[in-house]
Amino acid sequence: AQKITQTQPGMFVQEKEAVTLDCTYDTSDQSYGLFWYKQPSSGEMIFLIYQGSYDEQNATEGRYSLNFQKARKSANLVISASQLGDSAMYFCAMREAVQGAQKLVFGQGTRLTINP
Amino acid sequence: EAGVVQSPRYKIIEKKQPVAFWCNPISGHNTLYWYLQNLGQGPELLIRYENEEAVDDSQLPKDRFSAERLKGVDSTLKIQPAELGDSAVYLCASSWGGSSYNEQFFGPGTRLTVL
Repeated sequence: AQKITQTQPGMFVQEKEAVTLDCTYDTSDQSYGLFWYKQPSSGEMIFLIYQGSYDEQNATEGRYSLNFQKARKSANLVISASQLGDSAMYFCAMREAVQGAQKLVFGQGTRLTINP
Repeated sequence: EAGVVQSPRYKIIEKKQPVAFWCNPISGHNTLYWYLQNLGQGPELLIRYENEEAVDDSQLPKDRFSAERLKGVDSTLKIQPAELGDSAVYLCASSWGGSSYNEQFFGPGTRLTVL
């Protein structure tokens, strides 16, 4: 079973609009962490935002916010006021303990294209 | 502060040839990761080091892949012999256990093409 599911292979959004990228996860752990990374065409993965499973508040980092719905096991990324530079692949990832070690598992990603 | 450095950025080899990738993590980061990223997929962990010790290599195909991190700083990932299916991007990442989120910082990757 997929640990991380990103159901949107591609998204197209007009510049300055807000966009939500979906992510659902599957775990039986009580303690876990959720990350979003951005991967531009240059290849490096850029850390955007983190949400801990015990955090009561949704995480925010500038224009990025994470809509964390624990009961639904979803951790959607919201980008407000999108910019042309936001065009990239976006990956949701979950950190969980596997055999005593912390492991980061990634989804398949969503390609976001911002149109001028 | 310098980020994670990887070299080479691109490598083209013929099948059955050996190839090696190098990674220098962020200074002070004790944990180092090698990931494989196939086209259109998310990264998948190959091996994780805590200092010089490989603590998770369960996903590393040990018949042809090897890795080392001799002094607990930089690391080398080797494939010998390479196969067509090894064409992918190999990402290196590092993290510091003392950070708030233990987030991983990634290098730009090495794009391998096996002909």
